[in-house]
Amino acid sequence: DGGITQSPKYLFRKEGQNVTLSCEQNLNHDAMYWYRQDPGQGLRLIYYSQIVNDFQKGDIAEGYSVSREKKESFPLTVTSAQKNPTAFYLCAAMAGGPPNKNIQYFGAGTRLSVL
Amino acid sequence: AQSVTQPDIHITVSEGASLELRCNYSYGATPYLFWYVQSPGQGLQLLLKYFSGDTLVQGIKGFEAEFKRSQSSFNLRKPSVHWSDAAEYFCAVGGNAGNMLTFGGGTRLMVKP
Repeated sequence: DGGITQSPKYLFRKEGQNVTLSCEQNLNHDAMYWYRQDPGQGLRLIYYSQIVNDFQKGDIAEGYSVSREKKESFPLTVTSAQKNPTAFYLCAAMAGGPPNKNIQYFGAGTRLSVL
Repeated sequence: AQSVTQPDIHITVSEGASLELRCNYSYGATPYLFWYVQSPGQGLQLLLKYFSGDTLVQGIKGFEAEFKRSQSSFNLRKPSVHWSDAAEYFCAVGGNAGNMLTFGGGTRLMVKP
């Protein structure tokens, strides 16, 4: 089954703890993205990466970190500096060329809650 | 800066009725426009997209959208709604460096039997 796999589906964070959300894709897409979704606010971009070993901050990067060591993997770490981490997190990937250039495809999401 | 406005937070329609979800955007050049649908607790599924050419685009599940440059709009339509269409719908605009998308706040659709 091809696509974008996010794990775990549900995650709980204790006070002061860092947690890492996994995002893996087998689409061979160049660009990957992390979004945060809160009720009534749509999706907001946290970080994105257009190539391996390079990534850029999005609109709400504070309290988050990422790495892009492999093309197929783009993990997101929610650090203890993120004071309001409870949200639904979505990972996306986008091809750099035809036929699906400029189309972002999404994983099923990870719901993070604070204990 | 680019932005997307979906004026209707909630819409309720009867099954079999027609549907129009509104989307207005702000973008400095020719935009790439998208409609996505999200079922509860799930990721986003692409319904349709507009890049260029014919301003009326067809998508999956019987949806269509019309790009109107003069009105900066990209409204989503369906002639007859099914109960399974109940979900949240997001309009998005992109096309800038990094191919980042800006999303609207979403419209939650409820379908009455």
